[in-house]
Amino acid sequence: DAMVIQNPRYQVTQFGKPVTLSCSQTLNHNVMYWYQQKSSQAPKLLFHYYDKDFNNEADTPDNFQSRRPNTSFCFLDIRSPGLGDAAMYLCATSTLAGLAGVDEQYFGPGTRLTVT
Amino acid sequence: AQSVTQLGSHVSVSEGALVLLRCNYSSSVPPYLFWYVQYPNQGLQLLLKYTSAATLVKGINGFEAEFKKSETSFHLTKPSAHMSDAAEYFCAVSEARGSTLGRLYFGRGTQLTVWP
Repeated sequence: DAMVIQNPRYQVTQFGKPVTLSCSQTLNHNVMYWYQQKSSQAPKLLFHYYDKDFNNEADTPDNFQSRRPNTSFCFLDIRSPGLGDAAMYLCATSTLAGLAGVDEQYFGPGTRLTVT
Repeated sequence: AQSVTQLGSHVSVSEGALVLLRCNYSSSVPPYLFWYVQYPNQGLQLLLKYTSAATLVKGINGFEAEFKKSETSFHLTKPSAHMSDAAEYFCAVSEARGSTLGRLYFGRGTQLTVWP
């Protein structure tokens, strides 16, 4: 089945130790999104890629970076995690057909990040 | 600018009772509207979407929602709640065109509890 896969599902890292979360998709979608979701809150968009074009949200801290080496994979790098970065990180994909319309976003299961 | 308001952060119903989760939106252009469900430690799953076709939209698991432009609402309903419906529900709006094409704006979520 076509899907969005996130690895690992649970990640523990130490304060200040760089960590990378990965997302892959078999849907061949041209847009990939990274969201941060803290407990009992709505997902907050960090950035997204439209093909290779990177779009950063204005309030995303510089501590968060992303890479998209090809259509299928996208990575979220947290350079120096703080305790406040503990959250669920969700990857999503969609297709944008320009003026023809907008597809819904397909979400992965998420990676729960713990910072010790 | 788009925004979503979900009235009631917590809703409790008895099994078999009507489920009504409220969502109001604001959008300067024709909206696309979505309801997503999130189970604990899972990603978001699409329940249903409105994309300017029929105003009454049927989704998975017996849920449906009605788009009412005059009320700027997109409330989610289910005639008879089941224990398995207990989850967090998010309403989201997206633009049908414009510079933020495809971007989702989420409400803060409604936690649904179903009592036996």
